[in-house]
Amino acid sequence: AQSVTQLDSQVPVFEEAPVELRCNYSSSVSVYLFWYVQYPNQGLQLLLKYLSGSTLVKGINGFEAEFNKSQTSFHLRKPSVHISDTAEYFCAVTDQAGTALIFGKGTTLSVSS
Amino acid sequence: DGGITQSPKYLFRKEGQNVTLSCEQNLNHDAMYWYRQDPGQGLRLIYYSQIVNDFQKGDIAEGYSVSREKKESFPLTVTSAQKNPTAFYLCASSIFDGNQPQHFGDGTRLSIL
Repeated sequence: AQSVTQLDSQVPVFEEAPVELRCNYSSSVSVYLFWYVQYPNQGLQLLLKYLSGSTLVKGINGFEAEFNKSQTSFHLRKPSVHISDTAEYFCAVTDQAGTALIFGKGTTLSVSS
Repeated sequence: DGGITQSPKYLFRKEGQNVTLSCEQNLNHDAMYWYRQDPGQGLRLIYYSQIVNDFQKGDIAEGYSVSREKKESFPLTVTSAQKNPTAFYLCASSIFDGNQPQHFGDGTRLSIL
């Protein structure tokens, strides 16, 4: 069965610093991978997705992620964060059946000045 | 604008009472999903539906029921059998294709009186 592990539950950083949110997955089949962001009391918004092709995926708000098949990882990065990036971030995986998403438990990114 | 509308935003349930959460989408998506979100637990799948008049149980379906009479609508009923219903409930939809992301509503927060 597929699973997703987000290695850090909380990541505090200062404004304009770089950040990496780590995500590992396990799957016996080809996967599609997603990162979502959730602001307080709102739904989830898609940041980026990996379907195939280039392993470096660029998303909205300056975020990018790198798919590493050998390490079964899909880490999210941003070179310089803003206060407005404070939110909860979820990594998710689906199989080619596309029946549903399997989510990690989330990483809370807190950006302070 | 196309999107997913969840209502109400806040809902209170008395002991022994069933309550129904509404989810409507105008994206012409085939698939719809209900997730439950608890702090530190990520999102867990309750039910999903890939076509009208058909739906499948997710990981935590006990104490919940759904219907899918129209493509646009996928209401969730939290029954009295659900002993711990306090949570944030998220509805999502997607084109029925394994490589397409899910779009989310803004959620309903259910609390026990």
